[in-house]
Amino acid sequence: GAVVSQHPSRVICKSGTSVKIECRSLDFQATTMFWYRQFPKQSLMLMATSNEGSKATYEQGVEKDKFLINHASLTLSTLTVTSAHPEDSSFYICSASPLVGRTDTQYFGPGTRLTVL
Amino acid sequence: KQEVTQIPAALSVPEGENLVLNCSFTDSAIYNLQWFRQDPGKGLTSLLLIQSSQREQTSGRLNASLDKSSGRSTLYIAASQPGDSATYLCAVAGNTPLVFGKGTRLSVIA
Repeated sequence: GAVVSQHPSRVICKSGTSVKIECRSLDFQATTMFWYRQFPKQSLMLMATSNEGSKATYEQGVEKDKFLINHASLTLSTLTVTSAHPEDSSFYICSASPLVGRTDTQYFGPGTRLTVL
Repeated sequence: KQEVTQIPAALSVPEGENLVLNCSFTDSAIYNLQWFRQDPGKGLTSLLLIQSSQREQTSGRLNASLDKSSGRSTLYIAASQPGDSATYLCAVAGNTPLVFGKGTRLSVIA
């Protein structure tokens, strides 16, 4: 149980295009989903926290107009990287906290590798 | 601001050896501490979660301890195997969302 999926697992795009990454909780409902970014040999850095039906809360230094987050349902959150540039190339990982049960636990997705050319 | 440090950054051991990974954090007001495993290019697998009121948790060959007052946790891996090779991340949850360390990259040599 408690499986989180991400799609796509890997994406390569041209500079200036927008990329959408989906995060789904497959077998549980999640009121809160988190988006992280991980650069090579670095730790995961929280980008934003999204709650179903409300606006996401962004961490300091993360541009909300560049990284659009939508949490439309209790099982789906999307991250759209708008006008992507090479410096946005990174590993993006989402996580989800269940609505019931172990609400203090985050279950992580497998990550999405974004490469911007 | 919570900061999490993991030492060593990398570790290489022969198969069968017992080993200890270290994690320290600056703010002792935490709810829990988790150890994760990350394989190259992959997501995170939760290994152990220790609540702030607990001292340790065990799962198979893994044992994690927590000393909240000193801001330290250790992950003990017994009888290491090549399949244990991965990056091990420590993360703490407190008044802020999860804060991760940079990880310890473990290589177990057959």
